[in-house]
Amino acid sequence: GNSVTQMEGPVTLSEEAFLTINCTYTATGYPSLFWYVQYPGEGLQLLLKATKADDKGSNKGFEATYRKETTSFHLEKGSVQVSDSAVYFCALREGTGGFKTIFGAGTRLFVKA
Amino acid sequence: NAGVTQTPKFQVLKTGQSMTLQCAQDMNHNSMYWYRQDPGMGLRLIYYSASEGTTDKGEVPNGYNVSRLNKREFSLRLESAAPSQTSVYFCASIPMSGSTEAFFGQGTRLTVV
Repeated sequence: GNSVTQMEGPVTLSEEAFLTINCTYTATGYPSLFWYVQYPGEGLQLLLKATKADDKGSNKGFEATYRKETTSFHLEKGSVQVSDSAVYFCALREGTGGFKTIFGAGTRLFVKA
Repeated sequence: NAGVTQTPKFQVLKTGQSMTLQCAQDMNHNSMYWYRQDPGMGLRLIYYSASEGTTDKGEVPNGYNVSRLNKREFSLRLESAAPSQTSVYFCASIPMSGSTEAFFGQGTRLTVV
């Protein structure tokens, strides 16, 4: 079945450091790909998305490119802030059938001042 | 616009007790989902309803039942709670099939003792 694998955390960075969180997926068909962010005590909210191969999603300085050849959707940010501390989830939305959204295990990011 | 509303926010149950988690969305979305979130395991799909009048099992349906009462409401019932059901439960809705993202409620933290 379809699945999402993302790097284990926690990831600890200093403010202004470069961030990469790896995400790879297994899917049949043509899924849409997402990154969600969860701040403490809150539900998940969409960070960015890409709906087809080579699309780049971007928001709040974060970027991710849909790479079909490597089945990847890595999240990057050039300069992290303390306020970016959260849990980040990579997800795919099936393109057929029940259109379920499948999530990775999440990666916790800590950013130190 | 309230979005996705879950009740209650917190609940403690004794083993064997039953309860219903409520979820309502006011965005006229077709599809609704119940997930549970456990440390290191991300979000796992319990049940989903692709449209009003239909429900389907997700990845971890055992011990749960659902009702899609109408287009707005999708409830999750635990008939006989077990400690293994201690988790944070999230309801989500999606407006249509395809590339659209999920909108999440704030979550229900359930503890079964």
